[in-house]
Amino acid sequence: EIVLTQSPGILSLSPGERATLSCRASQTISINYLVWYQQKPGQVPRLLIYGASSRATGIPDRFSASGSGTDFSLTISRLEPEDFAVYYCQQYGSSPQTFGGGTKVEIK
Amino acid sequence: EVQLLQSGGDLVQPGGSLRLSCAASGFTFNNFAMNWVRQAPGKGLEWVSGIIPSDGNTYYADSVKGRFTISRDNSKNILYLQMNGLRAEDTAVYYCAKVLIPSRPRAPFDSWGQGTLVTVSS
Repeated sequence: EIVLTQSPGILSLSPGERATLSCRASQTISINYLVWYQQKPGQVPRLLIYGASSRATGIPDRFSASGSGTDFSLTISRLEPEDFAVYYCQQYGSSPQTFGGGTKVEIK
Repeated sequence: EVQLLQSGGDLVQPGGSLRLSCAASGFTFNNFAMNWVRQAPGKGLEWVSGIIPSDGNTYYADSVKGRFTISRDNSKNILYLQMNGLRAEDTAVYYCAKVLIPSRPRAPFDSWGQGTLVTVSS
């Protein structure tokens, strides 16, 4: 099973700042099979980015993803108030598909 | 518009059984793999099970293998999760999730049900 480790656990930033979230895999995976979700309190997860850099429907271009091998990252170029949430990475290239533990982006 | 309407969550005693349902609409149900994902209170997401529309193949996390059974009724557009031998550690909100890409056994989850709470406690 591929273990995904997200860091930091909590990221405290101010609106307008840049956020960089990390997702490290225990084995090499293709970025094509690494996706990112956003979950706000009391809401269901929402697909953000899949494939190398494809944004899901309605996701603004301040969200971007990169990485290769075992190290991946999600970047939010300028945090908007609605971006404060928990973010999860997921790999689905290897069975069982697995999620990272999440990074909470909170208002500083 | 894709809609996934879940039902079936409840309080159940350890060792008990429960069946979750997920009624789908707004897309061609039998073209897409479907999955169950759970989230224990205050915790992260855990993939539980998936089912492929084309061949009916099913997949399970080790934590539920042999106890949970995923199935689908393509004539009614409903996904099920039969949960037997429930344990306290199965307590979670359970989500059904549709994959983004048709005819692919594994793909990102682009639509989620509203979630249903399963509580296993005596």
